[in-house]
Amino acid sequence: DTAVSQTPKYLVTQMGNDKSIKCEQNLGHDTMYWYKQDSKKFLKIMFSYNNKELIINETVPNRFSPKSPDKAHLNLHINSLELGDSAVYFCASSPLLTGREGYTFGSGTRLTVV
Amino acid sequence: AQSVAQPEDQVNVAEGNPLTVKCTYSVSGNPYLFWYVQYPNRGLQFLLKYITGDNLVKGSYGFEAEFNKSQTSFHLKKPSALVSDSALYFCAVRDPRDDKIIFGKGTRLHILP
Repeated sequence: DTAVSQTPKYLVTQMGNDKSIKCEQNLGHDTMYWYKQDSKKFLKIMFSYNNKELIINETVPNRFSPKSPDKAHLNLHINSLELGDSAVYFCASSPLLTGREGYTFGSGTRLTVV
Repeated sequence: AQSVAQPEDQVNVAEGNPLTVKCTYSVSGNPYLFWYVQYPNRGLQFLLKYITGDNLVKGSYGFEAEFNKSQTSFHLKKPSALVSDSALYFCAVRDPRDDKIIFGKGTRLHILP
């Protein structure tokens, strides 16, 4: 029973391609997030959604487009992939927008752009 | 703006000794504070949190952390380290008036057998 699941776990693709990463949580949480972890392990928030509504949209290139069809899913679509997009992308969820309970993270998607 | 600092890139501790991983923060209000652990090729796992109340909070795997408002610190501690505690540890802070948690850069903990 994986609480926050991401697919795929690994993604290797060429520059210029378009790819999607999917995230699903079965915890009944209202809020979901995408974080990017770079090669130095620094974690930076990209987006958050609360009940399908976009809450946070950090300074992320508009090649990145999140989509939340329902509150249990938050997908990330990336257009025209660049070498600098190579990173590990983590999905997370929290019960409420307040975040008092902390986040539950998925196991990550390692994206390699060649 | 909120921020969090982990001054040590790496901490080495002998097995059985006490360990401390340092964290300081900056927020304009009363913070929510968290510690997470990341094992290789895994996602982050929640260890403990401080929201309000007792300054000493206890979490998973025998870890604890002390909230010190005057020093704006939230150091992670464990009385007796295990080799299996070796991992990357992240401190995180949230200003309750903001919508996101900010993570520190992480501290790699090595427990030496």
